[in-house]
Amino acid sequence: GDSVTQMEGPVTLSEEAFLTINCTYTATGYPSLFWYVQYPGEGLQLLLKATKADDKGSNKGFEATYRKETTSFHLEKGSVQVSDSAVYFCALSDQHGNNRLAFGKGNQVVVIP
Amino acid sequence: GAGVSQSPSNKVTEKGKDVELRCDPISGHTALYWYRQSLGQGLEFLIYFQGNSAPDKSGLPSDRFSAERTGGSVSTLTIQRTQQEDSAVYLCASSFRAEQFFGPGTRLTVL
Repeated sequence: GDSVTQMEGPVTLSEEAFLTINCTYTATGYPSLFWYVQYPGEGLQLLLKATKADDKGSNKGFEATYRKETTSFHLEKGSVQVSDSAVYFCALSDQHGNNRLAFGKGNQVVVIP
Repeated sequence: GAGVSQSPSNKVTEKGKDVELRCDPISGHTALYWYRQSLGQGLEFLIYFQGNSAPDKSGLPSDRFSAERTGGSVSTLTIQRTQQEDSAVYLCASSFRAEQFFGPGTRLTVL
């Protein structure tokens, strides 16, 4: 079935550093791709999305490009802030009628002042 | 406007007891999803409701799990004879088009 793979382990970096979180997917059709963020003590929030190949999603300085040739949707931010500390989940939307989401394992990002 | 709400926020129960978790979706959202977030398994789809159609129950892990959605709005997830492996955060989401909006979750602990 459809699945999402995120890079292993937490990410710790200094304020103003460049952030990349890798995400690759396996799908039989043409899924929509998402990044969700979970801030400490809060629920899941949609960060950005892309619905077709070569689309770029962007929000709050974060970007991700839907790459069909490499089946990837890597998340990037040029200069992180302490407030970006959260858990980030890559997800794809099932295209078989119900749009259910398949999530990656998530990456904890810790930004140190 | 009001988002998705879930209750209770925390539930501690003893092994073998039944529990009910409630989800109030955003008004007007026709689709409703339940997911489970656990340390070992990550985020998993459980069940999907769309309007008055029969639900997609393909993600329910066992027949101890069931859910209903009354009047196309509020949903209740019921876990019978809880087991320790049921301990997790249960998330509800609703959507009108493609984007899903998540509630804060119910943290279930089975002792």
